[in-house]
Amino acid sequence: DVKVTQSSRYLVKRTGEKVFLECVQDMDHENMFWYRQDPGLGLRLIYFSYDVKMKEKGDIPEGYSVSREKKERFSLILESASTNQTSMYLCATTDSSQIYGYTFGSGTRLTVV
Amino acid sequence: DAKTTQPNSMESNEEEPVHLPCNHSTISGTDYIHWYRQLPSQGPEYVIHGLTSNVNNRMASLAIAEDRKSSTLILHRATLRDAAVYYCILGYNFNKFYFGSGTKLNVKP
Repeated sequence: DVKVTQSSRYLVKRTGEKVFLECVQDMDHENMFWYRQDPGLGLRLIYFSYDVKMKEKGDIPEGYSVSREKKERFSLILESASTNQTSMYLCATTDSSQIYGYTFGSGTRLTVV
Repeated sequence: DAKTTQPNSMESNEEEPVHLPCNHSTISGTDYIHWYRQLPSQGPEYVIHGLTSNVNNRMASLAIAEDRKSSTLILHRATLRDAAVYYCILGYNFNKFYFGSGTKLNVKP
């Protein structure tokens, strides 16, 4: 089974801090995605990457950046965390065929105080 | 992006079949119909997907209307473990997926 591992289950950070959320997958998938999930808003795509060093903006990229230096790792960076970035963050992967759908990680619940 | 309409919540008894509906009247010819579910405190999990024909797998069945404007996810025998939020999603490219609010399924013992 594909495993998508997010480094932290829960994080509490202060306003203005630089925050790194890490996602690692072990099945050689080309495509990786970062979503945030908020009550009443569903899942919203922040950024995605279809190859090493490649990145594309999703629907809500403002306030975020990403890094993909290795195929298995996709990092989401909050340059200066704000309280409105308090959310559940979900990483997902698919292979290039996209036949089998997304595999999601368990999520990181980030609280910015 | 094509959107879907699902009931906010549904209830089922354990061991009984569950039919979860989804309307997608603006579906395009290339859109696949995907279903995911999200158990409490977990990320979403792939359930099934299809294009035109009905599909079956070990988790569920997907019935697609002939005009493709609606579909139904069928859980043949609901268990307590099936209590989750179920998302119906349209898409061809994964970067264009739209996860709405889904249907919260409650399974009663």
